[in-house]
Amino acid sequence: GAGVSQSPRYKVAKRGQDVALRCDPISGHVSLFWYQQALGQGPEFLTYFQNEAQLDKSGLPSDRFFAERPEGSVSTLKIQRTQQEDSAVYLCASSNRGTTYTGELFFGEGSRLTVL
Amino acid sequence: GESVGLHLPTLSVQEGDNSIINCAYSNSASDYFIWYKQESGKGPQFIIDIRSNMDKRQGQRVTVLLNKTVKHLSLQIAATQPGDSAVYFCAENIENTDKLIFGTGTRLQVFP
Repeated sequence: GAGVSQSPRYKVAKRGQDVALRCDPISGHVSLFWYQQALGQGPEFLTYFQNEAQLDKSGLPSDRFFAERPEGSVSTLKIQRTQQEDSAVYLCASSNRGTTYTGELFFGEGSRLTVL
Repeated sequence: GESVGLHLPTLSVQEGDNSIINCAYSNSASDYFIWYKQESGKGPQFIIDIRSNMDKRQGQRVTVLLNKTVKHLSLQIAATQPGDSAVYFCAENIENTDKLIFGTGTRLQVFP
């Protein structure tokens, strides 16, 4: 497709379950970002990839959160042993800029995670 | 779809009026700013950006003003339309970093 695609759109997990969220960026986009958006808040940075290299993971809230982009295209955000405070929309964004200037980010529609 | 911004500041305007949405940013080292529009159940959509060496930039029906002295950013929307109804976020990029820091957002409601 032409835009950033995320799946699943909605995920309900029981506390303690592991979840995996997938992002298909726009073809050819070098940069890929993950953001977390709690209800009523702005998106908060989690991590950033340039191609397959994870250059910044300073926003990951705990070691339960892990992201990868092994071939420099599709990315997966994994959350282990989910907790209720992990409930949020997880947004993926990509950019065709390979520099530290973020430039125009193209966001997907997000994966909404609800932890019961 | 989910509702974004249940407890956000709200600006209500009549269709055809001009809208001004304000944002205070936090870091004097920020050198690049973007306004995003987010409709319910969707990801943020780029509207307009401005670099710190400018104080004004115009797009189609939108203008962004930057006041670095007081760390203030505004988005002006001319002839506001019902399709402009959404939550608007300003975002700042701190120089030499790769991340955008988003503000808390403002809900714009347009009445016919």
